[in-house]
Amino acid sequence: EIVMTQSPATLSVSPGERATLSCRASQSVGRDLAWYQQKPGQPPRLLIYNASNRATGIPARFSGSGSGTDFTLTISVLQSEDFAIYFCQQYDDWPRITFGQGTRLEIK
Amino acid sequence: QPQLQESGPGLVKPSETLSLTCTVSGGTVAGGSLSSSAYYWGWVRQTPGKGLEWIGTIYYDGSTFYSPSLNSRVTISADTSKNHFSLRLRFVTGADTAVYYCARQKTFGGVIAPYFDYWGQGTLVTVSS
Repeated sequence: EIVMTQSPATLSVSPGERATLSCRASQSVGRDLAWYQQKPGQPPRLLIYNASNRATGIPARFSGSGSGTDFTLTISVLQSEDFAIYFCQQYDDWPRITFGQGTRLEIK
Repeated sequence: QPQLQESGPGLVKPSETLSLTCTVSGGTVAGGSLSSSAYYWGWVRQTPGKGLEWIGTIYYDGSTFYSPSLNSRVTISADTSKNHFSLRLRFVTGADTAVYYCARQKTFGGVIAPYFDYWGQGTLVTVSS
C-alpha cells in the first residue's frame, strides 16, 4: 500500500497570506494525485487532480505542483473560507487508492 | 451536476451487516446516470482515527473494485433502473463506525480517473450493541 504523509498536521496562517501544504508518497505516484478541502459537517470537495489541474469552479488562488513522491498545494492569498482541512489522495496504484491524514489550516 | 444521497440505518449491531444505499439524481446530462459508461461510483468512509478510507467502486457494467483490506467483507451492487447503488459490509465491529460517503469518479479517454469529483453529504453509521 502506498502511504501518503501530509505535513504539517496543523498550519497557522493569517488571512491574506500564502499557505503551502505538503504531501509525500512512500513511492512514486507520477502525477496521479488529488487534493481535497473539507469543512466541518461537509464532504470533501475536489480542488486539484492530476497534481496540478484545478477542478471545476475552483478559484485560481489554489494551485498544485509536484510529481513522483513530493507534492504541494499552495493557496496564494488566504480567504476566510479557506480555513479547513486538506487531504491528498493518490490513485496511481488504482484500485488501491489511499489518502493522506490531512492538514488542518487554521487562522493565525 | 449530479446529486448523491446516502441512506440507511445509523446503528448496526456488532457481527451484523451494514447496508447503505446511494441514490443518484440529476439525470444523464448532469452526469448522474449509473447507466453511463462515463462514470464510476464509489464508497469512501471517514473516521477520526484512520481518516479517509476508500471502500470500493462499481462501474455501469457491474464490475467492481474493492479495497484489499475490506475485500472479504464488502459487496457493492447497483440498480440502474432506480439509479442507485448499494454497499453491504458484513461482520461489522466497532472499527467500522464511521461517516460513509458515496461519490462519483469520472473516466478520461475511456479509462477511470480515480479521484472523486462529486460526493454525497455522508451518513454516520455507529456499530454498537
